[in-house]
Amino acid sequence: QKEVEQDPGPLSVPEGAIVSLNCTYSNSAFQYFMWYRQYSRKGPELLMYTYSSGNKEDGRFTAQVDKSSKYISLFIRDSQPSDSATYLCAMSGAGNQFYFGTGTSLTVIP
Amino acid sequence: GAVVSQHPSWVICKSGTSVKIECRSLDFQATTMFWYRQFPKQSLMLMATSNEGSKATYEQGVEKDKFLINHASLTLSTLTVTSAHPEDSSFYICSASDRVTGELFFGEGSRLTVL
Repeated sequence: QKEVEQDPGPLSVPEGAIVSLNCTYSNSAFQYFMWYRQYSRKGPELLMYTYSSGNKEDGRFTAQVDKSSKYISLFIRDSQPSDSATYLCAMSGAGNQFYFGTGTSLTVIP
Repeated sequence: GAVVSQHPSWVICKSGTSVKIECRSLDFQATTMFWYRQFPKQSLMLMATSNEGSKATYEQGVEKDKFLINHASLTLSTLTVTSAHPEDSSFYICSASDRVTGELFFGEGSRLTVL
């Protein structure tokens, strides 16, 4: 079993829709959870960083962590064509190893 | 947010030459830096992990003599692709872990084309 599982998509939604992206993980020691956005031929950009369980909101983006279910989510409200990218989840424990999902490709159609 | 600068963003070289890519954390100290390789429409492939002042730890299948990594300070790591060949052409990305917050930031990536 992989440490982190993420549905690769592709996911296609109309502009204005709410997008839900998810990852599951198997290691209960993970404490730090991150979501990145990667445009083609660019490095990943950190969108959200969460420690432990709970919700975090930043503009149109909301990150949720449910440690009991080992499940994290990223919600994008009022999605825009500029949100079209690949979204990566990542997580780490107390050490300095980071584990990534495979990325979900999102297209927002105008 | 914190910035990781990667340079050059694009390099073209002849087969047999060596290419050096730099990765700098601009406003934080990075205990650990990571180097990845990414093929088109594929996920990141971790090549090696480097800690400041010590030898890099390479992932299985990555040739340490081919991909030389130096992490001389808390803000700079370099990847040197030695005797590059066309099959080394790829997108190389670095990331740096903030020693205070634990956040991981990525560079913009370097596209290497070996002719």
